[in-house]
Amino acid sequence: ETGVTQSPTHLIKTRGQQVTLRCSSQSGHNTVSWYQQALGQGPQFIFQYYREEENGRGNFPPRFSGLQFPNYSSELNVNALELDDSALYLCASSVQGLYNEQFFGPGTRLTVL
Amino acid sequence: ELKVEQNPLFLSMQEGKNYTIYCNYSTTSDRLYWYRQDPGKSLESLFVLLSNGAVKQEGRLMASLDTKARLSTLHITAAVHDLSATYFCAGRSDNFNKFYFGSGTKLNVKP
Repeated sequence: ETGVTQSPTHLIKTRGQQVTLRCSSQSGHNTVSWYQQALGQGPQFIFQYYREEENGRGNFPPRFSGLQFPNYSSELNVNALELDDSALYLCASSVQGLYNEQFFGPGTRLTVL
Repeated sequence: ELKVEQNPLFLSMQEGKNYTIYCNYSTTSDRLYWYRQDPGKSLESLFVLLSNGAVKQEGRLMASLDTKARLSTLHITAAVHDLSATYFCAGRSDNFNKFYFGSGTKLNVKP
């Protein structure tokens, strides 16, 4: 069984640029959630995708957007990058149901200069 | 908005001792999660608690949920160095598909 994978591992961008992060969900999982984790803090929920639609969103501006594909993989897009966007971005996959237990990928470390 | 508070934020303990991490949440949450994170690593799911009075145990860790008090606890029994990590609790808001994490408890178990 393949776990959750994310790419790239690390990324350096400059302010104002755009970035796309990718996530492949664990086999059999149909839901993907994205989180932002700043250094020394807990993860902040960005949004969740189920059946290729956003079905939950945290307090993030519209420049954070996403996609889910028919194979349940997902992308997180961030436009007009700001210095505060520097963080670890985590993807988690799960199965919609009673437990909705989320399994996390290794993360993408984004640095905005 | 669901707010999740953990305490303590930092915990240094000796091997062999017992301790409890507390997780309070502000409004109803239909499920409560516990995760472990090692430095520079991702999150590992430990427990999912659904109902009032739920108790789950795995090795030296035991988690419980009191929905009336809006409190979950993670109890560590006879700590060992390998348990050193940051532990997070998280809740899911009742009416909206949103997840909220606490700030984490950084546990250091000294030999």
